[in-house]
Amino acid sequence: QQQVKQSPQSLIVQKGGISIINCAYENTAFDYFPWYQQFPGKGPALLIAIRPDVSEKKEGRFTISFNKSAKQFSLHIMDSQPGDSATYFCAASSQAGTALIFGKGTTLSVSS
Amino acid sequence: NAGVTQTPKFQVLKTGQSMTLQCAQDMNHNSMYWYRQDPGMGLRLIYYSASEGTTDKGEVPNGYNVSRLNKREFSLRLESAAPSQTSVYFCASSPTSGTAYEQYFGPGTRLTVT
Repeated sequence: QQQVKQSPQSLIVQKGGISIINCAYENTAFDYFPWYQQFPGKGPALLIAIRPDVSEKKEGRFTISFNKSAKQFSLHIMDSQPGDSATYFCAASSQAGTALIFGKGTTLSVSS
Repeated sequence: NAGVTQTPKFQVLKTGQSMTLQCAQDMNHNSMYWYRQDPGMGLRLIYYSASEGTTDKGEVPNGYNVSRLNKREFSLRLESAAPSQTSVYFCASSPTSGTAYEQYFGPGTRLTVT
C-alpha cells in the first residue's frame, strides 16, 4: 500500500512563479516529514523537513506547510528559477520506525 | 569528506548473472539503506541496516541480499539477475535509525539486465 501520496506527477511553472507540490499520508505514527530534491543523474538530497507540531517552516524560497488534521503537507517554491528544475520527493518517517517512506515524486520544470 | 560512494556507476548484466553493488560512507553514520528507483515509482527500500551487525528487509527485498561488512560498508548482491531488476540503485546513510528522515544518498548505480 502507498503510505505517502504525492501530486502532481509533473509541473511546469514560469520563472518567477510559485511551484506547489502536495502530499498526503495515512499513518498517524509518522513524526517527521522531509522533502528531497533530485537533479538528473544525481542522488536525492535533503531539502527541508518539518515536524507535525509546526504548521509552517521556511528556508529561503522553500516553505513547507503542514495540516495535521487533514494529514497533508505541501512544498511551496517561491520565485521559482530554472535552477529549481528537478524531481522533488516528499517522505515520511517515524522515530519508532527505521526507514523513510517516499512519495512517487514530482518532476518540476521551470521555464525561462 | 566523500560522503556516500557507490561502485560501479554503470553495469550491464545478462539474465542469470550475479553481481555485488558496493557502498561506503565516511560520515560515521550508524544506519545504511539500499533503494531502487524506477520511473513513476519513486524510491523503494530494498534492505536497510539500522546499525552494524543488523539488516532488515524493506519493501522490495526479493532477489537481493545484503551484507553490512562494517560500520562504513553496506553491499547489495544480486544472485541471479532478472530483467525486472533493471533500475537505478541508490545507497544512503543516516546518523542513526531514529534520524531516518535525514538521509545522505550516493550518486547511484545504473543497472541494466538484458
